[in-house]
Amino acid sequence: DVKVTQSSRYLVKRTGEKVFLECVQDMDHENMFWYRQDPGLGLRLIYFSYDVKMKEKGDIPEGYSVSREKKERFSLILESASTNQTSMYLCASSSQGWYTGELFFGEGSRLTVL
Amino acid sequence: TQLLEQSPQFLSIQEGENLTVYCNSSSVFSSLQWYRQEPGEGPVLLVTVVTGGEVKKLKRLTFQFGDARKDSSLHITAAQPGDTGLYLCAGGPTHDMRFGAGTRLTVKP
Repeated sequence: DVKVTQSSRYLVKRTGEKVFLECVQDMDHENMFWYRQDPGLGLRLIYFSYDVKMKEKGDIPEGYSVSREKKERFSLILESASTNQTSMYLCASSSQGWYTGELFFGEGSRLTVL
Repeated sequence: TQLLEQSPQFLSIQEGENLTVYCNSSSVFSSLQWYRQEPGEGPVLLVTVVTGGEVKKLKRLTFQFGDARKDSSLHITAAQPGDTGLYLCAGGPTHDMRFGAGTRLTVKP
């Protein structure tokens, strides 16, 4: 079975803390993505990566950074967490193929910033 | 701004009823995808439609892509409690895929 694994299902952090969200896929996919999901807003793309060490900004990159040192691992970093970053974070991967590619999602990481 | 508008936002029905949910846009998409997300899980792809007017069936689920490739619908026949979940439509190239806000379906036994 193909699998995207996110390191933490639930996190509670304080304002100003640095937060790392880790994502690993076992499908040898080139593309990896980080989305946040908020009620009524759907999924919004934060960053994506199409190759090791490559990254592109999505719609809402402010306050976030990413790291992709290995093909299977894509990390999302909140340098200084704020309350408006409380959300569900979803990692996804896909094989190369821009137009009809299926996104495979992890189970999500629910982050609460107090 | 949401490029993909889904309706209704919420839908609660009894087991055995039929339902249709919609995904509309002012933009033309080369393909549209439908995902289902169950509580506590990530979205899972149900279908991809690529040709205007295309109809695809997945057991009791029927997906249609509009002739102009701007809209899509999902029809469920004889809904079951296992159909409960958030149904998301998505369109665009993989690196810039846009998602609707979803229809949250609850099917009561």
